[in-house]
Amino acid sequence: EDQVTQSPEALRLQEGESSSLNCSYTVSGLRGLFWYRQDPGKGPEFLFTLYSAGEEKEKERLKATLTKKESFLHITAPKPEDSATYLCAVRVGGATNKLIFGTGTLLAVQP
Amino acid sequence: EAGVAQSPRYKIIEKRQSVAFWCNPISGHATLYWYQQILGQGPKLLIQFQNNGVVDDSQLPKDRFSAERLKGVDSTLKIQPAKLEDSAVYLCASSTWGVGAYSSPLHFGNGTRLTVT
Repeated sequence: EDQVTQSPEALRLQEGESSSLNCSYTVSGLRGLFWYRQDPGKGPEFLFTLYSAGEEKEKERLKATLTKKESFLHITAPKPEDSATYLCAVRVGGATNKLIFGTGTLLAVQP
Repeated sequence: EAGVAQSPRYKIIEKRQSVAFWCNPISGHATLYWYQQILGQGPKLLIQFQNNGVVDDSQLPKDRFSAERLKGVDSTLKIQPAKLEDSAVYLCASSTWGVGAYSSPLHFGNGTRLTVT
């Protein structure tokens, strides 16, 4: 069965304290790994897509990396406005292009 | 471009009542999805449409949930009768389809928060 696991469930950082979020997956035929940010009361907002092991994508203080079994979202010198839930999702092969989501990591950055 | 529009934003109903949610996807997006997000969990796919045809409804509780997408644009999701465990945020998303579809991300609306009492 296709499965996506995120850790930690929650993370509290001080402003400027860098860290990483983990997304591990077990899927048959990965067709892309997606990172989303979700603010309270909002829908998920697309951040990155990664397709192959070794690939990296960057956006401001965020950098996503991908290996054959997991992905990391590195947050460098975070600011309070980076506080949100970060969701990882995988697209698997087959007739559909649906995304299977993990349960997310709730990030709180304190000033 | 305008994003995915959903209404209503909030709905409170009693168990055994019925409720309907509406979604208008991004213009030109052929694929439309309904996801259910229970508090503290990731979104779970309920149904996926390609134009006005159903591609995947394997996780839709068909005894109480129904969805349609008329004319391949707007969509409605209905629950009848509602149960307490249906309390969740119902998210609509859309994406492009075709060559390179695997690369297209899903774009989400802000959802409808349903509370069943």
